Amino acid sequence: DAKTTQPNSMESNEEEPVHLPCNHSTISGTDYIHWYRQLPSQGPEYVIHGLTSNVNNRMASLAIAEDRKSSTLILHRATLRDAAVYYCILRASGGSNYKLTFGKGTLLTVNP
Amino acid sequence: NAGVMQNPRHLVRRRGQEARLRCSPMKGHSHVYWYRQLPEEGLKFMVYLQKENIIDESGMPKERFSAEFPKEGPSILRIQQVVRGDSAAYFCASSPQGASSGANVLTFGAGSRLTVL
Repeated sequence: DAKTTQPNSMESNEEEPVHLPCNHSTISGTDYIHWYRQLPSQGPEYVIHGLTSNVNNRMASLAIAEDRKSSTLILHRATLRDAAVYYCILRASGGSNYKLTFGKGTLLTVNP
Repeated sequence: NAGVMQNPRHLVRRRGQEARLRCSPMKGHSHVYWYRQLPEEGLKFMVYLQKENIIDESGMPKERFSAEFPKEGPSILRIQQVVRGDSAAYFCASSPQGASSGANVLTFGAGSRLTVL
């Protein structure tokens, strides 16, 4: 998987929006952008993924830059339950893309 | 509609004993992946299996570790002669599709936490 860069940590207040950035300047045309999160003492949890267009689901929104070299995960109203490590991962089609490669991610702290 | 089920959730073993971790994938999923997370470290890929086949075990330590996914029953990650360095959280994930799609989403279990005394 191509490399992604995320801030080590971010902080937010409860009920405020959170924008988690991810840079992936070496992304290729067939790479999907995936986000997973890992709550304390739990397994990773899928959040959202996209290829070129912005995506929305019940958990979050994914905004993808026009050149696809960066993306932003948006939590519209953070809750205490959103405190987790958030991982931005690129997945190509075919090859060995099943090796979902986790970096260090961004540790999100949500203040009450 | 149960998710990925892992057991045991916690396992304590003494050095030299064997550890067996089980993973039942989501219903309809035939692809299983094992990951390990050492204390204060990131998740590392270990092995990818389909029913009765090991597709990629490049992340598995060469000795003492083995994995299987039989035609019937759960996937098993087996660690023989455990050492303290094997203490970690072991996560299993499953998916309905294999490597062909970049949109492939993995569903993870809650993990099995192995402690070696």
